[in-house]
Amino acid sequence: SQTIHQWPATLVQPVGSPLSLECTVEGTSNPNLYWYRQAAGRGLQLLFYSVGIGQISSEVPQNLSASRPQDRQFILSSKKLLLSDSGFYLCAWSVRASASYEQYFGPGTRLTVT
Amino acid sequence: AQSVTQPDIHITVSEGASLELRCNYSYGATPYLFWYVQSPGQGLQLLLKYFSGDTLVQGIKGFEAEFKRSQSSFNLRKPSVHWSDAAEYFCAVGATGHSGGYQKVTFGTGTKLQVIP
Repeated sequence: SQTIHQWPATLVQPVGSPLSLECTVEGTSNPNLYWYRQAAGRGLQLLFYSVGIGQISSEVPQNLSASRPQDRQFILSSKKLLLSDSGFYLCAWSVRASASYEQYFGPGTRLTVT
Repeated sequence: AQSVTQPDIHITVSEGASLELRCNYSYGATPYLFWYVQSPGQGLQLLLKYFSGDTLVQGIKGFEAEFKRSQSSFNLRKPSVHWSDAAEYFCAVGATGHSGGYQKVTFGTGTKLQVIP
């Protein structure tokens, strides 16, 4: 069966510090991968998606970047965190080119920028 | 572009009572519709999905949803709510994506369900 991992689970970082959040998927190959940010009362905002290694698309301009160095690894980064980067970050995967559109989510990372 | 509206931010029901969470979508073609549930501090879990066929779909944990094209709705229901159902519920719509097999799923802002004894 497929599983998706995210770490760390929680993170407190000062403004201006770098960020690296990692997401890995097991039990599937060639998945589409997604990074979402969730803010209270605002639902899920899609930040990045990837349809393959090294292929990253950004949905919104921001202080963050993403990379996909391996097929089942997706990394969210920042060089200098802002207060507004605080939130709950969710990684998700889906079967590539599937007609079903189902996305499966990881447990999330709670980021607090102080 | 597709969109999803969940008009109820917060709903409180008594344990054992029936539940209906509302969802309205906007999409030009036949939509792919989903309901997800999120417990505090956790990721989202898929409850059920609709792609085609029978407009009444059954999901996990005793939930069901009905697709009504004429009303552009996909409301989630449960006949008898349990205290463990307290969580946040998200409706989502999927649409034809960009090249390369990307599927764009748009989420509503969620409905928080409180269950009282």
